[in-house]
Amino acid sequence: NAGVTQTPKFQVLKTGQSMTLQCAQDMNHNSMYWYRQDPGMGLRLIYYSASEGTTDKGEVPNGYNVSRLNKREFSLRLESAAPSQTSVYFCASRPGHYSNQPQHFGDGTRLSIL
Amino acid sequence: AQTVTQSQPEMSVQEAETVTLSCTYDTSESNYYLFWYKQPPSRQMILVIRQEAYKQQNATENRFSVNFQKAAKSFSLKISDSQLGDTAMYFCAYSNTGNQFYFGTGTSLTVIP
Repeated sequence: NAGVTQTPKFQVLKTGQSMTLQCAQDMNHNSMYWYRQDPGMGLRLIYYSASEGTTDKGEVPNGYNVSRLNKREFSLRLESAAPSQTSVYFCASRPGHYSNQPQHFGDGTRLSIL
Repeated sequence: AQTVTQSQPEMSVQEAETVTLSCTYDTSESNYYLFWYKQPPSRQMILVIRQEAYKQQNATENRFSVNFQKAAKSFSLKISDSQLGDTAMYFCAYSNTGNQFYFGTGTSLTVIP
């Protein structure tokens, strides 16, 4: 059981380049999330999708776009990468819109913007 | 807005001893859920324990237990009989009746042999 799969695991970009981070889950979860993790700041929510067909902004959405392609896949796009977007990005999912259910995380993508 | 505060950036504990990690949160809601996640050097996020706010009984999972003080908005994690494999970053998280999670900034725990 793969759980939540993120690709790629590492990426280096130049300022201004665009990129899409991919996330897929095989647990039939309805809700999916994108976070960024920076030293001393914990995990901050970028965007989330409560269910297929819906997306909402989180705490730090500027500079990002998302697509809930289907129930399994939730991608994060950087249209014009900036050095401030250097971070580790995590995708997560959980079964549904119930707050007692924990999130299941992917292994993260380390992204460096030069 | 909900906030989660972990006031201990780093902690250490001798192997086999007990350690408590602190977490406080701010909310105006009455129904919510709290979680502790562990992030070892492998970077994986692993659920350690969770607590429902409407339950007075503190959650326990083997060597991990919580001290949930609803009135004080406090949710500390106690690790008993610490093991080397417990070395990790620990994150406290809050989930409300919406669909968002709020994480603290983390506590880096080192277990010393």
